[in-house]
Amino acid sequence: DAGVTQSPTHLIKTRGQQVTLRCSPKSGHDTVSWYQQALGQGPQFIFQYYEEEERQRGNFPDRFSGHQFPNYSSELNVNALLLGDSALYLCASSSGTGDSNQPQHFGDGTRLSIL
Amino acid sequence: GDSVTQMEGPVTLSEEAFLTINCTYTATGYPSLFWYVQYPGEGLQLLLKATKADDKGSNKGFEATYRKETTSFHLEKGSVQVSDSAVYFCALRPGGYQKVTFGTGTKLQVIP
Repeated sequence: DAGVTQSPTHLIKTRGQQVTLRCSPKSGHDTVSWYQQALGQGPQFIFQYYEEEERQRGNFPDRFSGHQFPNYSSELNVNALLLGDSALYLCASSSGTGDSNQPQHFGDGTRLSIL
Repeated sequence: GDSVTQMEGPVTLSEEAFLTINCTYTATGYPSLFWYVQYPGEGLQLLLKATKADDKGSNKGFEATYRKETTSFHLEKGSVQVSDSAVYFCALRPGGYQKVTFGTGTKLQVIP
């Protein structure tokens, strides 16, 4: 049973570029959340997708956008990259939006470095 | 808003020592509480959870009790091993929402 898979594992970009990160949720899960984890910090919630719509959003600018596909996989897009966007981006999947008893399962993340 | 405060690390212990990592939270309502562990180069793994007051979560020798009166969820283990070396995150999720709020993490190093 495959868990949450993310691609690519590592990515290097320069300031001003755009990037797309991808996530496939754990089998049976329909909700995907994205987090940004800066070095030495805890993950910060970016947004959550359910039924192909953004349901919740954290304190991130509009440069951060996403998409969820009918097969529940998801993409995170970041435009006009800044040095401060360098971080580990984590995808988490779970089942349903309203049941807080269901834990999220995390992927190993994409390490994004901005030069 | 919701927040989680963890004791700062790093915490260095000898093998078989007792471990406590303190965690307190601020939230409205009745959140679910979690401890996640992150090994080097990996994502987060759920270690244990508690969904209501006085619940005790446990897994792999780790325990934490949901204390609503002190808004705490301290992580304990009676005898740590070298393989427990990792970063530990305390987290909460409000009822009815999927967004998880994390603490800043506590790095644990266990030496033989």
